[in-house]
Amino acid sequence: QLQLQESGPGLVKPSDTLSLTCTVSSDSIYSSSFYWGWIRQPPGKGLEWIGSIYYGGSTYYNPSLKSRVTISVDTSKNQFSLKLPSVTAADTAVYYCARQFTADDAFDIWGQGTVVTVSS
Amino acid sequence: SYVLTQPPSVSVAPGKTARIACGGNNIGSKIVHWYQQKPGQAPVLVIYYDGDRPSGIPERFSGSKSGNTATLTIGRVEAGDEADYYCQVWDTSSDRVVFGGGTKLTVL
Repeated sequence: QLQLQESGPGLVKPSDTLSLTCTVSSDSIYSSSFYWGWIRQPPGKGLEWIGSIYYGGSTYYNPSLKSRVTISVDTSKNQFSLKLPSVTAADTAVYYCARQFTADDAFDIWGQGTVVTVSS
Repeated sequence: SYVLTQPPSVSVAPGKTARIACGGNNIGSKIVHWYQQKPGQAPVLVIYYDGDRPSGIPERFSGSKSGNTATLTIGRVEAGDEADYYCQVWDTSSDRVVFGGGTKLTVL
């Protein structure tokens, strides 16, 4: 059964870069024709899509975050990553990674989520 | 930008049917997915491609669309169905995933 696991710092200082990694187990990112996405959820609020990446490297980003976000894939480590520079308190959220069959598809498998707090 | 509108809350008695609406302009032309999220847990896909159920999701969960509204229907509601529910589409005009604001289902 495919599993996704987010990892990264739980506390980030304002104006620093938030960096998270999602490790894909029981499957190969390179051999599977899936999209891999990041979604976040601020405390007490709803879900916000950040972006998705194809194993070959093509990406789709939320226009509201596009100028700040970079999603990349490392097939050698079976991981994909999120970088969000210049963070503020508004970036405090639970960050989830998830799988899609195509960019317009549902997210069928999710990681457990990781809490990221932006605070000095 | 494309917006999906959900009621903040829906209440239903055990054993009854819950209907959660998701409104969006011309949603009939889009594919709608639905998620269930319980407190402290990651979302779980309960309906994809408007009305299909993933393996392991009870038949009590169904999805439909009519006009500018998609609906998640939960039949014979149980206490364990109490959760937040989110609809999701892909907006082709901006190439982005859009989530509804979420609906809290309360089982009375």
